[in-house]
Amino acid sequence: DAGVIQSPRHEVTEMGQEVTLRCKPISGHDYLFWYRQTMMRGLELLIYFNNNVPIDDSGMPEDRFSAKMPNASFSTLKIQPSEPRDSAVYFCASSQGLKGTQYFGPGTRLLVL
Amino acid sequence: TQLLEQSPQFLSIQEGENLTVYCNSSSVFSSLQWYRQEPGEGPVLLVTVVTGGEVKKLKRLTFQFGDARKDSSLHITAAQPGDTGLYLCAGSTLYNFNKFYFGSGTKLNVKP
Repeated sequence: DAGVIQSPRHEVTEMGQEVTLRCKPISGHDYLFWYRQTMMRGLELLIYFNNNVPIDDSGMPEDRFSAKMPNASFSTLKIQPSEPRDSAVYFCASSQGLKGTQYFGPGTRLLVL
Repeated sequence: TQLLEQSPQFLSIQEGENLTVYCNSSSVFSSLQWYRQEPGEGPVLLVTVVTGGEVKKLKRLTFQFGDARKDSSLHITAAQPGDTGLYLCAGSTLYNFNKFYFGSGTKLNVKP
């Protein structure tokens, strides 16, 4: 298996622009997680899905952030409009079962200027 | 304030030395995990501990879960440069077992 795939690996954008991050989970996994990692706050859970349905989005910072999972093999995290404080590494992870081992993707390094 | 506090934040040692890193909380955890993250990559799960007092060994790594399930430690014997990375603990609490919290991590550098 190719593991969790994320794209793009790096994104540089200007404040106010829309940013879309993409994730392909491991085939057969029924849970998908979006995390954000910064030096100040460490690794934070933003939202997670079970069978494509959002279960807990309490970690989403504000309305500028939205996430979708239209099917079992694809998810997006969108920031609109982006702000410099959104600069971070965003990880997607998937697991089989909520307590199953989470496999992380390589992350998307986002820089908002 | 982090739910899980890790110490030390940074550790730089010579190859062959032993070290221990700690993960502490005032909350009780139903389970606790340790991950290692290398630069430019996502975290990789090392171990899960679920029982108070549990000790697990993974080659040169020894993981311990506190009796009260509020803390954990990771001990590395005879560290090697390949052990270099960010070590993260993560857990789910008893009152919100569906949510996973990560500590801020310990950045370990093992010099050859």
